Order: sequence, then structure tokens, then C-alpha cells
Amino acid sequence: RKEVEQDPGPFNVPEGATVAFNCTYSNSASQSFFWYRQDCRKEPKLLMSVYSSGNEDGRFTAQLNRASQYISLLIRDSKLSDSATYLCVVLNAGGTSYGKLTFGQGTILTVHP
Amino acid sequence: NAGVTQTPKFRILKIGQSMTLQCTQDMNHNYMYWYRQDPGMGLKLIYYSVGAGITDKGEVPNGYNVSRSTTEDFPLRLELAAPSQTSVYFCASSYRGSEEPQHFGDGTRLSIL
Repeated sequence: RKEVEQDPGPFNVPEGATVAFNCTYSNSASQSFFWYRQDCRKEPKLLMSVYSSGNEDGRFTAQLNRASQYISLLIRDSKLSDSATYLCVVLNAGGTSYGKLTFGQGTILTVHP
Repeated sequence: NAGVTQTPKFRILKIGQSMTLQCTQDMNHNYMYWYRQDPGMGLKLIYYSVGAGITDKGEVPNGYNVSRSTTEDFPLRLELAAPSQTSVYFCASSYRGSEEPQHFGDGTRLSIL
């Protein structure tokens, strides 16, 4: 089983749609969680951290369920500029994997007019 | 506002040649990482470092070496370049590695022919 697994995608949605991405992780010692976006041929950029209580940043909402080892990202009112690859990222801060970031394979989102 | 700087941005190598990918950060970050990203795939961790003098293997370390003699620099060495090492290489850094945003360099596009 992969350490971090994401929805296979790709997602093709119209402008204004709501879209949700899911991610599961296998290491119960994982402590920090993030969503990144990556535009074509560019470096990944932090979109938002994910907190246990859930957090929202404008049209983006992230949720964490530690019991199920599950992370989600919800995008409301999709814009054309949201088209990108979304990466689920987990940081292990204990045991033999101290300080190790693990990326999911990414989910491609295309928002069309 | 330099952040994480990677050099070179592009390079073509012949099989069996060696080279060093440079990465430097000016944010006094303790954690630094090297990833590779193959076309259409997610990022895979090659090596990481939690501080000067400390390095550890990631998911795909074979064929690479690293050193961390200073906080600022984290070079990645390819000793005997192979076609399988054709990829985009990203260096990243973060202050403490948890609950902190990770900053990525622009990437180095490496082709081995």
C-alpha cells in the first residue's frame, strides 16, 4: 500500500462547480498534513495546511480525520484558474521517518468554461 | 527574496557523466529535501536533511548522494548518470518540518542521453 494515496482523477468540471478531492495515508504516526497545487512544469506551491478541526481559506476547505487516516479538499465555485494538479502531502515527525515529507501522486483538475 | 535557489535550471548529460545539482536557501531553514518528478507522476523523495551534518535516505536514493555541511546548502550528486535519472529535480526547505510551509525551488530539468 502506498504511504499516501489520492483520487486517481482527472476531474473535469465546469466553472462554478464544487469539487472534492480525497487522500488517505497509511502511517498513523503522521503529524502534519498539507495540500499543494502544482501548475504544469512548475514547482509545487503550498495551498493550505490541514488541521484536525478543519480549516477554510476562501473557497477552499480542508478536513482531516485521524481515526480514518483521511484528508479531503473541497473547492467551491471553481474558477478557470483552479486548473492544476493538487497534491496531498504528509509529514512524518517521529520514529525512523523523522522529518520526511511524502507526496501523493496528485489529482489533475481541469475547470472549463 | 531569494528563497530556495536551484542551479542549473536545465542540463543535458551523457550516460556515465557526473554532476552536482546545487540548492541553497537563505531562510535559515533546518529541513531540506530533494525530490524527483517524472512526467505525469508525483514527487518522490530522494534524500532529506533535518539539519547541518544530518542526512537520510528517502524513497528513491539509489544513484544519488547528498551532503549538508552548512544550513544553507544541500547539493545532490549524480555519480554515474543513467537514462532512468532523466527527470525534474526539486529542492525544498522548511524551518522545522512540521506545521510550517515548505518552500520549493524552481526545479532542475535534467536529461540523460
